[in-house]
Amino acid sequence: NAGVTQTPKFQVLKTGQSMTLQCAQDMNHEYMSWYRQDPGMGLRLIHYSVGAGITDQGEVPNGYNVSRSTTEDFPLRLLSAAPSQTSVYFCASSPGLPRPNQPQHFGDGTRLSIL
Amino acid sequence: KNQVEQSPQSLIILEGKNCTLQCNYTVSPFSNLRWYKQDTGRGPVSLTIMTFSENTKSNGRYTATLDADTKQSSLHITASQLSDSASYICVVSDDYKLSFGAGTTVTVRA
Repeated sequence: NAGVTQTPKFQVLKTGQSMTLQCAQDMNHEYMSWYRQDPGMGLRLIHYSVGAGITDQGEVPNGYNVSRSTTEDFPLRLLSAAPSQTSVYFCASSPGLPRPNQPQHFGDGTRLSIL
Repeated sequence: KNQVEQSPQSLIILEGKNCTLQCNYTVSPFSNLRWYKQDTGRGPVSLTIMTFSENTKSNGRYTATLDADTKQSSLHITASQLSDSASYICVVSDDYKLSFGAGTTVTVRA
């Protein structure tokens, strides 16, 4: 059981480039989300999805797009990379909304540097 | 704005010793509080989840406490091991949204 798989693990981009961070889960979870983790700050929610075909914005959505065509996959797209988007990005999944009996499972992150 | 504050920011302890991490929150309404362990270069892994009615929950050498009246939680690590070196993150949920603390970095030295 692989859990939540994120690719790539590391990436360096130039300002203005675009790219897609991949996230896949094999637990048939309905709820998936993307976070960014910056030094000295808690994880911040970028976008989330409560099921295939449904996405919504989180706390810091600007500069990012998502789609959810299948239950398993939830890619995050950087439209035009900026140095402020240098961060570690985590994808997470859970059976439903973050209620007590539904812990979130995190991937191991993508470390992204924008030059 | 819902906030989760953790202290200390970091600490160093000797192997075999105990330590306690603190978490204060202002999230309302409150649903549950979680403690996660994040090893360097890895994603967070759930240690405990506590609801309003629970004031203590253990997971091996990790014991979390919750005082919903004062909106405080603590995570106690007993007989620390080198593998306990990690960041510990307090997360508070209102059933729809998770609010994350910045974490406490624990370094265990032999």
